[in-house]
Amino acid sequence: ETGVTQSPTHLIKTRGQQVTLRCSSQSGHNTVSWYQQALGQGPQFIFQYYREEENGRGNFPPRFSGLQFPNYSSELNVNALELDDSALYLCASSLGGKDTGELFFGEGSRLTVL
Amino acid sequence: GEDVEQSLFLSVREGDSSVINCTYTDSSSTYLYWYKQEPGAGLQLLTYIFSNMDMKQDQRLTVLLNKKDKHLSLRIADTQTGDSAIYFCAESIPGRRALTFGSGTRLQVQP
Repeated sequence: ETGVTQSPTHLIKTRGQQVTLRCSSQSGHNTVSWYQQALGQGPQFIFQYYREEENGRGNFPPRFSGLQFPNYSSELNVNALELDDSALYLCASSLGGKDTGELFFGEGSRLTVL
Repeated sequence: GEDVEQSLFLSVREGDSSVINCTYTDSSSTYLYWYKQEPGAGLQLLTYIFSNMDMKQDQRLTVLLNKKDKHLSLRIADTQTGDSAIYFCAESIPGRRALTFGSGTRLQVQP
């Protein structure tokens, strides 16, 4: 069974640039959620994708967008990067419809915005 | 409202028990979770409890839930140096797609 994998693991961007982060969900999982974890904080929900459609969104501006592909992998795109976007971005997969909502997290992509 | 609070830091000696506490505010929470995060890593689900349960035990881990006080605790028996990490509690609420996480408790285990 393959776990959740994310790429890249680390990246550095400058303010105003755009970034794309990628996530492959665990085998058999059809739901992907993205979380932002700032230093010293707990993860904050960005959005969730289920069967290629956005299925819930947290309090993040529209410059945070995403995609889910037919194989259930996903991308997180952030436009017009700001310094406060520096964080660990976590992808989590789950099986939609399961009561527990048990999430399986990847190792994250650490983004630094200069 | 939605808020999950945890104390920031806990230090214990190897072999002792650790108790990490969490309070939440939303009484409609259905499941409450404990996740572990080691340095530079993602989150690992340790255990979870359904809101109609008072206690759940899983090997060295014991979760206690006081729904009246909206208080959740995680007890780790015979704490080992490998248990040093940040522990997050999180709640799920019916109809919402997200988990709400606390800010995490850093557990330091002294040899």
